[in-house]
Amino acid sequence: NAGVTQTPKFQVLKTGQSMTLQCAQDMNHEYMSWYRQDPGMGLRLIHYSVGAGITDQGEVPNGYNVSRSTTEDFPLRLLSAAPSQTSVYFCASSYRWDTTYEQYFGPGTRLTVT
Amino acid sequence: QKEVEQDPGPLSVPEGAIVSLNCTYSNSAFQYFMWYRQYSRKGPELLMYTYSSGNKEDGRFTAQVDKSSKYISLFIRDSQPSDSATYLCALSPGTTDSWGKLQFGAGTQVVVTP
Repeated sequence: NAGVTQTPKFQVLKTGQSMTLQCAQDMNHEYMSWYRQDPGMGLRLIHYSVGAGITDQGEVPNGYNVSRSTTEDFPLRLLSAAPSQTSVYFCASSYRWDTTYEQYFGPGTRLTVT
Repeated sequence: QKEVEQDPGPLSVPEGAIVSLNCTYSNSAFQYFMWYRQYSRKGPELLMYTYSSGNKEDGRFTAQVDKSSKYISLFIRDSQPSDSATYLCALSPGTTDSWGKLQFGAGTQVVVTP
């Protein structure tokens, strides 16, 4: 049971390049989400998914795309990287039923856009 | 004005003291209230989860929710140096299609000195 895994751990991009941040979970959780964390701003939701084939926008979706073809995987695509996307990106998966709630975050991807 | 306000600290306390953390919020639709702990350069870790108003205790941790005042608190008793971390509050509307849309506070850095 690996929990939530993210790759890569670090990435440097040039402005205008595209890339995909990978996220996978092995807990069969329905809910998965992507956050970015910037100094002094906590975590802000980019996109989330309530199950395979279903995605929705969060607070800061511009410049990012997601898809969810399987329960396990939830990749985040940067279409054309900008310096404003320099941040730490966290993927999370969660489960809720009645009074039970579980949520696990991945270790993060540190992205620098020059 | 942010939907969730949290004092960034740092909050420095001596070992054994009680740590008191809080968040205020403006949206009365929030029904689920969470506290996370985040060590430096790691992903957040869910500590406590509370539905609606009231108190919840788990070991040295106590979470309180006062919906009438839109105020939530986390208390850490008998604090240890290993409690030194950033603590984030997060709130969710809790409806089926939106409960994964967490709004995070900016986080409070806590330092427990031996």
